[in-house]
Amino acid sequence: GAGVSQSPRYKVAKRGQDVALRCDPISGHVSLFWYQQALGQGPEFLTYFQNEAQLDKSGLPSDRFFAERPEGSVSTLKIQRTQQEDSAVYLCASSSRVGEGGYTFGSGTRLTVV
Amino acid sequence: RKEVEQDPGPFNVPEGATVAFNCTYSNSASQSFFWYRQDCRKEPKLLMSVYSSGNEDGRFTAQLNRASQYISLLIRDSKLSDSATYLCVVNWGRQLTFGSGTQLTVLP
Repeated sequence: GAGVSQSPRYKVAKRGQDVALRCDPISGHVSLFWYQQALGQGPEFLTYFQNEAQLDKSGLPSDRFFAERPEGSVSTLKIQRTQQEDSAVYLCASSSRVGEGGYTFGSGTRLTVV
Repeated sequence: RKEVEQDPGPFNVPEGATVAFNCTYSNSASQSFFWYRQDCRKEPKLLMSVYSSGNEDGRFTAQLNRASQYISLLIRDSKLSDSATYLCVVNWGRQLTFGSGTQLTVLP
């Protein structure tokens, strides 16, 4: 596609519910990142994929967070048993170059846990 | 201490003004440096890379001082459309590390 596509754009979840957020990166992009952005803050790194391999998940805040990219293209970020502190915008970014900046971000999924 | 620190602002300036943003980073092994722009409720977008020699793109000038671990962005002749949050971004290894952003409002 022309850009990074994320869905849904908005998600309201009841506390304790599981959610799945989807990212469709730019076709052919090797690197894929997930970031979490709280209100008034900059994006915080969650996890990184190079093709289908999850090479860094050091930013995932708890074991309730899980990400996958099984075929090296579309990625899913899953949050189990959502808590209010999970409310944030979840941004996906992709890049054709490994280990360099200048990534293209998707529009994000705004998650609100009530 | 945050890895990338910025003055959060807000900066409110009149049209045509020159405004400067500063940023410091803590990891001396940082390899690449960027300024991103983020409009309200939108995703961050790359504004420009920052090089040690300094670089300019139209009204925007970025500077990097590796010895002081300091990055700056200068906007000349500011326009209403420059109103946004400016994010200082540092890269070592694979991931980007963002500052919290500096909010700029250009007033008519």
